[in-house]
Amino acid sequence: DAGVIQSPRHEVTEMGQEVTLRCKPISGHNSLFWYRQTMMRGLELLIYFNNNVPIDDSGMPEDRFSAKMPNASFSTLKIQPSEPRDSAVYFCASTLEGSGGYTFGSGTRLTVV
Amino acid sequence: GEDVEQSLFLSVREGDSSVINCTYTDSSSTYLYWYKQEPGAGLQLLTYIFSNMDMKQDQRLTVLLNKKDKHLSLRIADTQTGDSAIYFCAESIGNAGNMLTFGGGTRLMVKP
Repeated sequence: DAGVIQSPRHEVTEMGQEVTLRCKPISGHNSLFWYRQTMMRGLELLIYFNNNVPIDDSGMPEDRFSAKMPNASFSTLKIQPSEPRDSAVYFCASTLEGSGGYTFGSGTRLTVV
Repeated sequence: GEDVEQSLFLSVREGDSSVINCTYTDSSSTYLYWYKQEPGAGLQLLTYIFSNMDMKQDQRLTVLLNKKDKHLSLRIADTQTGDSAIYFCAESIGNAGNMLTFGGGTRLMVKP
């Protein structure tokens, strides 16, 4: 089991550019979560999906952020246009509902200059 | 609303026990978790406890839950330098498919 796979591991982009972060959950897991981690705010839940359906996106900062889960094995988090304050580590996590355990990916460190 | 709080920092000597504390406010929490994050890495699930349990032990780790006081602790016996990391407490409401709310993390520093 390769675990939750995120790509890229690091992304440096210029302000105003579009950024797409990718996540492949563990096969068989039916819940997927996107978190953002910063020094100032700690870990924040951005959005989560159950069976590919977005359940709670109240943590998405603003309209510049969007997330999709077109199938059970893939999700994207897009920021357009990106701003320096979006710089953070973005984590994806997945779980099988009822199993009691969440598995996190290694994260994508985003730097917007 | 949900709120999970932890102290920011803990320093111990190698070989001592570490106790990391956490308080939460939502009495309908069903699962409570401890995660470990090493520098530059993702969060690693250490252990979790169901809300109807008082204690769970897993090798060097002991989780204690006081549901009345909404207090959770993680005890690490015989703390090693490799245990130096940030430890996050988290709670989930309902079944495990629902979202986790994390505390701010406790940075554990283990001195040789």
